Amino acid sequence: DQQVKQNSPSLSVQEGRISILNCDYTNSMFDYFLWYKKYPAEGPTFLISISSIKDKNEDGRFTVFLNKSAKHLSLHIVPSQPGDSAVYFCAASALSGGGATNKLIFGTGTLLAVQP
Amino acid sequence: DAGVIQSPRHEVTEMGQEVTLRCKPISGHDYLFWYRQTMMRGLELLIYFNNNVPIDDSGMPEDRFSAKMPNASFSTLKIQPSEPRDSAVYFCASSPWYNQPQHFGDGTRLSIL
Repeated sequence: DQQVKQNSPSLSVQEGRISILNCDYTNSMFDYFLWYKKYPAEGPTFLISISSIKDKNEDGRFTVFLNKSAKHLSLHIVPSQPGDSAVYFCAASALSGGGATNKLIFGTGTLLAVQP
Repeated sequence: DAGVIQSPRHEVTEMGQEVTLRCKPISGHDYLFWYRQTMMRGLELLIYFNNNVPIDDSGMPEDRFSAKMPNASFSTLKIQPSEPRDSAVYFCASSPWYNQPQHFGDGTRLSIL
């Protein structure tokens, strides 16, 4: 049962354009969402997060949007750079309420290739 | 600042051998997590600790797997006996407190022949 889904295994964009990575979740208890970037032979690196009380969070070139009714979040990278080429994972947890946990559930990742 | 340190980076061993993976979390971080990444199952949580106490070990696949955290600066994940299906990349991560992002080490690539 895949609670966090990234349906696009790969994405290719031109340098300078916008990259949009998508993520869907099924568990309505999730209230904290994160994006991680991973280069080969390295561990995932935290990029940006969003709490369910917000619908947008921005950090430089990276913006995460959360649509709770659709159980969907997306990561926008503007402008995209060749150094952004990596695998991007979304992750979710249920930090509050019954069954609250610090446990992260990860999606399967999307490989982003930014072409010069 | 030193990040999460894992050792060894690569381990190749024969089926049936005991394997011990090591992790040093970031100083001051109260939470420590062990993950496994495989092609089939992606990145999945095995166990996590809070203040050296195991909180959730529901992801540990079977009794052959065990994890300990004897102090705030060291944790081990042990597989005994190892099997070829345990081949994967094992990551350790730590976070300062409850609702903070986790910081990952660079992983141990484990191959069981």
